[in-house]
Amino acid sequence: AQKITQTQPGMFVQEKEAVTLDCTYDTSDPSYGLFWYKQPSSGEMIFLIYQGSYDQQNATEGRYSLNFQKARKSANLVISASQLGDSAMYFCAMRVMNYGGSQGNLIFGKGTKLSVKP
Amino acid sequence: KAGVTQTPRYLIKTRGQQVTLSCSPISGHRSVSWYQQTPGQGLQFLFEYFSETQRNKGNFPGRFSGRQFSNSRSEMNVSTLELGDSALYLCASSVIGRNQETQYFGPGTRLLVL
Repeated sequence: AQKITQTQPGMFVQEKEAVTLDCTYDTSDPSYGLFWYKQPSSGEMIFLIYQGSYDQQNATEGRYSLNFQKARKSANLVISASQLGDSAMYFCAMRVMNYGGSQGNLIFGKGTKLSVKP
Repeated sequence: KAGVTQTPRYLIKTRGQQVTLSCSPISGHRSVSWYQQTPGQGLQFLFEYFSETQRNKGNFPGRFSGRQFSNSRSEMNVSTLELGDSALYLCASSVIGRNQETQYFGPGTRLLVL
């Protein structure tokens, strides 16, 4: 079965420090996409970064980078130089091809609540 | 480009009523997906539409239905509302819905069922 696991319900980080949010995934499909979203208290899901299963290099987007370890099936999000505005819920998600051959939906983890301290 | 828009943003209904939520995808996006988010169950997939056809469906009762129009706008309907339907309903769009394609979300509709 396809699954996303985020083992950290909540984390604290000091402003300007780096933080790593953990994500492991489970799928037998060789083709999949991994995504990280940020959800502030307002509720909107904001796309942060994407990693394709065939990508050789780790994805980066500004202060966000994705530490992709395919053999370990992990896709950790690294936020460098944390800012107060980074305080939010962070969701790891995966999308795979359905067994019937149709495109699959996003499967989400339970999320990690990040709090940035001044 | 304008982002995904959802209306209404907030809604209060009573048990037994029905509700219709609307989603306008990013211009040029043809795939629209709906998700339900609750504190207990987290984010769960409802259904996906592409070119006016339901392409994928999650594990929800038949009270939950949707449709997509020729301009890619989508609506979802929940009939005979139950207290447990109180949730944040999120709509997401992508160009054609390939599995390695980013889905962009709207601000959501918060539904409260009393």
